[in-house]
Amino acid sequence: GAGVSQSPSNKVTEKGKDVELRCDPISGHTALYWYRQRLGQGLEFLIYFQGNSAPDKSGLPSDRFSAERTGESVSTLTIQRTQQEDSAVYLCAGSGRVGDEQYFGPGTRLTVT
Amino acid sequence: QKEVEQNSGPLSVPEGAIASLNCTYSDRGSQSFFWYRQYSGKSPELIMSIYSNGDKEDGRFTAQLNKASQYVSLLIRDSQPSDSATYLCAVNNYGQNFVFGPGTRLSVLP
Repeated sequence: GAGVSQSPSNKVTEKGKDVELRCDPISGHTALYWYRQRLGQGLEFLIYFQGNSAPDKSGLPSDRFSAERTGESVSTLTIQRTQQEDSAVYLCAGSGRVGDEQYFGPGTRLTVT
Repeated sequence: QKEVEQNSGPLSVPEGAIASLNCTYSDRGSQSFFWYRQYSGKSPELIMSIYSNGDKEDGRFTAQLNKASQYVSLLIRDSQPSDSATYLCAVNNYGQNFVFGPGTRLSVLP
């Protein structure tokens, strides 16, 4: 496809369950970012990947959060033992390289009940 | 702590007026600057990028950058109700992560 895609678009899960969110970036975008946006709030940086370099994980809020990306392909964000405060929209964005314009996917709305 | 600040608004302007959105940043090493528009319930959409001091125009939008003052702004001419959204300022120091401001909510009144 032409744009960044994310799946699922919506996810409702019970507290304590693990969830996996997927991001499929634009072909050729070497940099990939994950953000969290709580209702009515700004973007909260979680992690970014740049090619095969070590990811910048400085924004991950706890060790329940992890993300993977192999090369310039799909990325997955995993949240273990979900808590109600994890409820938010999780946004993925890609760019040609770190510092270039970012293009966002439609997001995954996560609701933890 | 690298910060990007914006007035949260709401900023209300009448249709046809010029909307002026402002952003200041703390990291003097910042190299690239971006404005995004985010409609309610949607993901951010890139409007403009600017890398050099001065003005950059694209249609009804003009971005202005002053690195000495650590200030970047977005002007929207002939504002339309469809411009009503939250506008996010983002700043990047190459090789490091983007920092987004909290956003300014713009309301264009018909």
